[in-house]
Amino acid sequence: EVQLVQSGAEVKKPGESLKISCKGSGYRFTTYWIGWVRQMPGKGLEWMGIIFPGDSDTRYSPSFQGQVTISADKSISTAYVQWSSLKASDTAMYYCVRLQSGVVPAAISDWGQGTLVTVSS
Amino acid sequence: EIVLTQSPGTLSLSPGERATLSCRASQSVSSSNLAWYQQKPGQAPRLLIYGASSRATGIPDRFSGNGSGTDFTLTISRLEPEDFAVYYCQQYGSSQLTFGGGTKVQIK
Repeated sequence: EVQLVQSGAEVKKPGESLKISCKGSGYRFTTYWIGWVRQMPGKGLEWMGIIFPGDSDTRYSPSFQGQVTISADKSISTAYVQWSSLKASDTAMYYCVRLQSGVVPAAISDWGQGTLVTVSS
Repeated sequence: EIVLTQSPGTLSLSPGERATLSCRASQSVSSSNLAWYQQKPGQAPRLLIYGASSRATGIPDRFSGNGSGTDFTLTISRLEPEDFAVYYCQQYGSSQLTFGGGTKVQIK
């Protein structure tokens, strides 16, 4: 069974840095694209970007390019998204996702449980 | 970037009724690379349909998708109580994946 287990909720202040994680199991981590989706409170889904852990090929949504960094450590089957300086507008639920295939294009077949990030002074 | 517009924003129906949700793309979605997801309150979304018309594993056959090019539809043939939720379409045909704004299916 494929599982994506995300790190716990975070409460941060504006300007602080943050790195949240997603551990994949039940499949070969290096052969599927894995990525992140944002959902702001009461709003819809926004694709942030994806990474192929096998070779670290990373693709960002233009809306998130330069705002976050997506990475993966294949030795521990874990993907990350990080912020260097959080803003209040980064307050959201962040979902880790796995694509159906190691070849893009592919739909999202699996979702993590979500990590709630709250940024407030 | 391909923009997806979902309509209606909210659909009020009774259990047993048929639901028809629309997703229109600002430009053609290549190879029908369009998916539908269901999200219930407090839960992560789940994949219902991919490739415009293929049901994901474990999805009941009352859910069906069709369409191509710029116009896509998700149909729920007979609404069950557990089907009241928000539905999102997503295109993955371009290098930039995008989601529609969602359609909420609520109990009338």
